Amino acid sequence: DIVMTQSPDSLAVSLGERATINCKSSQSVLDSSNNKNYLIWYQQKAGQPPKVLIYWASTRESGVPDRFSGSGSGTDFTLTISSLQAEDVAVYYCQQCYGIPPWTFGQGTKVEIK
Amino acid sequence: EVQLVESGGGLVQPGGSLRLSCAASGLTFRGYWMNWVRQAPGKGLEWVATISSDGSQTYYVDSVKGRFTFSRDNTKNSLYLQMNSLRAEDTAVYYCARETSRRLDYWGQGTLVTVSS
Repeated sequence: DIVMTQSPDSLAVSLGERATINCKSSQSVLDSSNNKNYLIWYQQKAGQPPKVLIYWASTRESGVPDRFSGSGSGTDFTLTISSLQAEDVAVYYCQQCYGIPPWTFGQGTKVEIK
Repeated sequence: EVQLVESGGGLVQPGGSLRLSCAASGLTFRGYWMNWVRQAPGKGLEWVATISSDGSQTYYVDSVKGRFTFSRDNTKNSLYLQMNSLRAEDTAVYYCARETSRRLDYWGQGTLVTVSS
């Protein structure tokens, strides 16, 4: 199974500052036949189910603010919040969906306000 | 509006069984692959199972293979997760989620399963 490892486990960022979360997969999630990276980013706020932010590593889900962006390819990926807002306090997860299941999630990164 | 509503959670003794349901509305249910994802208290997300749109294909995380069965009834817009031989480590909130282009784009609010004596 593909193992997903996020870093850091938590971070505290000042309002308006940049937050960067990394995600590394144990094997490539790039499908060379269509050049898509099967990497998803979710946001989970306290007491709520997760919500998709980014899919195919860099495509923003409809309705997601443009301060959220995803980058990377192959095995190394990054979620960036360009200017942290109070409502962005949450736990963020990456998930691979390469090939057929099993799908696997990273352990999560908790983002707080400094 | 897409809605997914889980039910059937509760307290069960180790070794016991429970059947979760997920009622879907606001979507062409038979057109989507569906998933169960769980989250132990204070822990991260764990994918549990996937079922194809017609129910002919199912996939499970290794830790539940042989114990859990994922099924669906497209005439009732419903999913079912039959959980047998439950263990303490199965304690979690269980979410059903719709899959679109491999991403889980709609989630229910979850149902809590507690396995304890």
